[in-house]
Amino acid sequence: EADIYQTPRYLVIGTGKKITLECSQTMGHDKMYWYQQDPGMELHLIHYSYGVNSTEKGDLSSESTVSRIRTEHFPLTLESARPSHTSQYLCASSEWDNSNQPQHFGDGTRLSIL
Amino acid sequence: SQKIEQNSEALNIQEGKTATLTCNYTNYSPAYLQWYRQDPGRGPVFLLLIRENEKEKRKERLKVTFDTTLKQSLFHITASQPADSATYLCALPRYSSASKIIFGSGTRLSIRP
Repeated sequence: EADIYQTPRYLVIGTGKKITLECSQTMGHDKMYWYQQDPGMELHLIHYSYGVNSTEKGDLSSESTVSRIRTEHFPLTLESARPSHTSQYLCASSEWDNSNQPQHFGDGTRLSIL
Repeated sequence: SQKIEQNSEALNIQEGKTATLTCNYTNYSPAYLQWYRQDPGRGPVFLLLIRENEKEKRKERLKVTFDTTLKQSLFHITASQPADSATYLCALPRYSSASKIIFGSGTRLSIRP
């Protein structure tokens, strides 16, 4: 069982609100990821971190931002939510190793912007 | 650009039969390939990894093959059970950065009793 936690699990909120999605892992993994997934579709990488104070954008353009001040914590923030941000957001982590370490996922936050 | 193709149609199998899922990829020769299981409303869970120099990998009732000539991986579940019903995702490392992987859209598998 992976020790990676996301909160909240579900969030329904109005347009224009600032949102922070939390992600924490207790495995000491250096690498962390945020993915966006719509129903029946593939996961799209939106943010990536190699370690503390290191973040970069993924393939899918996203208006969200991330921070990595502590190894275990990788929150994602939307400054002003819009209906187009409605989706499932999945956080993952993996060990720092070039030899194909698997990713461990949280159960996601399902975000609905009204 | 890299592409992964998995059966977009759901696969319905009778309990006890072997389920076989296909993952095809293009424009790349990956060093490894991973398979994940995803249940509705949950995050993916890692199942198996197979390297380019391995033809086959087994784990309990699961078997994965990797044909680098055909650019294809097959995922088999033998003696399938209703509890095996889920979406199965194939994933490959990015050629631009091995630290990141790309996922297929998955194949939904249903095992009927």
